[in-house]
Amino acid sequence: EAGVTQFPSHSVIEKGQTVTLRCDPISGHDNLYWYRRVMGKEIKFLLHFVKESKQDESGMPNNRFLAERTGGTYSTLKVQPAELEDSGVYFCASSQVTPGEQFFGPGTRLTVL
Amino acid sequence: RKEVEQDPGPFNVPEGATVAFNCTYSNSASQSFFWYRQDCRKEPKLLMSVYSSGNEDGRFTAQLNRASQYISLLIRDSKLSDSATYLCVVNMLVYGGSQGNLIFGKGTKLSVKP
Repeated sequence: EAGVTQFPSHSVIEKGQTVTLRCDPISGHDNLYWYRRVMGKEIKFLLHFVKESKQDESGMPNNRFLAERTGGTYSTLKVQPAELEDSGVYFCASSQVTPGEQFFGPGTRLTVL
Repeated sequence: RKEVEQDPGPFNVPEGATVAFNCTYSNSASQSFFWYRQDCRKEPKLLMSVYSSGNEDGRFTAQLNRASQYISLLIRDSKLSDSATYLCVVNMLVYGGSQGNLIFGKGTKLSVKP
């Protein structure tokens, strides 16, 4: 069974540009989560989808971040415009139920120059 | 105060040693507790859930003390392959009942040497 996949694995962009990260959860997992790890800090929760609905977006840092999950399958996280402090590793996770074991993707390493 | 605090280490131990990691959490509303393992530049992977009664999985033993808001992980007979960062993770009921919000500690780095 395929695990959680994320694309791209790395992204280097300049400040002010737009980047879109994609996450494909494990097939059949209704719950999809985004997390972020900034250098030197702990992994922090961003938001939680149940199917296509945002269940909890309390961790989203500001309105430059937009997450979508149209159709309840894959999700995208867009950062527009990117700032230097957005650099970090963005992890996606999915679970079959909540609460339940969350399976993490390999992450997207974002560098904003 | 951090929601989940861990000793960052690193813990450098020889093969075969027993090593213990500790973690404290600040919010008494925390409901579920986990240890995740993260290898260098990889994603976190669930090592084990932690229950009040304590639980054991092979060489790994986890304990939870709700009164002290304290979680521990004991690794016996450590192997080279145990080298990784160990993340203490909790989650809570939030408004509306969702328990999706995992809260991570910064992690404790373990290095097992031959």
